[in-house]
Amino acid sequence: GQQVMQIPQYQHVQEGEDFTTYCNSSTTLSNIQWYKQRPGGHPVFLIQLVKSGEVKKQKRLTFQFGEAKKNSSLHITATQTTDVGTYFCAGPTGGYQKVTFGTGTKLQVIP
Amino acid sequence: KAGVTQTPRYLIKTRGQQVTLSCSPISGHRSVSWYQQTPGQGLQFLFEYFSETQRNKGNFPGRFSGRQFSNSRSEMNVSTLELGDSALYLCASSLQGIGETQYFGPGTRLLVL
Repeated sequence: GQQVMQIPQYQHVQEGEDFTTYCNSSTTLSNIQWYKQRPGGHPVFLIQLVKSGEVKKQKRLTFQFGEAKKNSSLHITATQTTDVGTYFCAGPTGGYQKVTFGTGTKLQVIP
Repeated sequence: KAGVTQTPRYLIKTRGQQVTLSCSPISGHRSVSWYQQTPGQGLQFLFEYFSETQRNKGNFPGRFSGRQFSNSRSEMNVSTLELGDSALYLCASSLQGIGETQYFGPGTRLLVL
């Protein structure tokens, strides 16, 4: 079945360092969404990418959708302690029959 | 605009019991989806309701069921609870359904003893 893998599973960075998480789907996605879940919290929508090769920026966050629409990445420049949390990618699968979430990348920022 | 609300926030049950969780979507949102989140399995899609009808379903046993009311509020029921059902149950609402931005509620943390 549909699989959406994310790497790395965990990442510890020193505050100020950059961070990147990668999302890879076994099938082509019509769009991809990114969510952030703070410890003890719930997923919060960050962004949606729709077009092949699309790149979007939100302040220090840069999101990219692959040309084949099977992979995506989230890059954070100069991490801050407020970036701590788990980042999930998600995409509609099975002809919009369900949403498949990635396995998530847990980011820890060391002050 | 008020966000998605879920009740109760915490619940402790014993094996064999049943449980009902409630979700109130953002006003105007007609789609409500339910997810189970566990450390081992991550976020898994349970089902989606739209206009009082179950439109999509994940790979969960029939013990997991739900319904949606005319005001779009939704309930999820788990019967014959098992230890492995301990999880954070999240609901999310959207205007039209899966493929759009999902707005998540705070979740109900269920512990089965």
